[in-house]
Amino acid sequence: DTEVTQTPKHLVMGMTNKKSLKCEQHMGHRAMYWYKQKAKKPPELMFVYSYEKLSINESVPSRFSPECPNSSLLNLHLHALQPEDSALYLCASSQAQGVLSNQPQHFGDGTRLSIL
Amino acid sequence: GIQVEQSPPDLILQEGANSTLRCNFSDSVNNLQWFHQNPWGQLINLFYIPSGTKQNGRLSATTVATERYSLLYISSSQTTDSGVYFCAVGNSGAQKLVFGQGTRLTINP
Repeated sequence: DTEVTQTPKHLVMGMTNKKSLKCEQHMGHRAMYWYKQKAKKPPELMFVYSYEKLSINESVPSRFSPECPNSSLLNLHLHALQPEDSALYLCASSQAQGVLSNQPQHFGDGTRLSIL
Repeated sequence: GIQVEQSPPDLILQEGANSTLRCNFSDSVNNLQWFHQNPWGQLINLFYIPSGTKQNGRLSATTVATERYSLLYISSSQTTDSGVYFCAVGNSGAQKLVFGQGTRLTINP
């Protein structure tokens, strides 16, 4: 069983809709991540939150808006998405970002997003 | 930035066979993880192994940090081992995990 929970598992939305993806972890981790994964490609980092503050934005379009309301929750707000945004969105967490790279990351099962 | 190369890109084996997957990286690392992504998209942690050797059942991994490579061994393969295996590395310069392109493993019954 994954310790990082993502909802919903599947989401179909139109280009004018507004929706949110949610991620929750209860491992006491203080770094949380959003990744995007297209078919037959590796995950690509989108955002990193460290101690509830945005620390990395990998030049993601503004139609994706992350939010970290507390240390256990991470949201990704979606608005006016394009068909090319259809992908698997993965959330991950790690113990701390102090030296980000030397902590193992734990992934959720993902949200499979389809844009009509 | 750090580069990660995995080989082979594809591997097809019969059930019961053994396999070795390789991950080469271009710089020193202080994080290396092996993941298995199953056909449903779940990305499962296999090993956190920036150096040394670890074993978990039929799987084992070795990272030789000084020579910048890591190996994942799968013994007595089962059909449930099918999927894509990713190696991901990080260092203080990258400040993030960098994924290789993956090895797609197919185990036939």
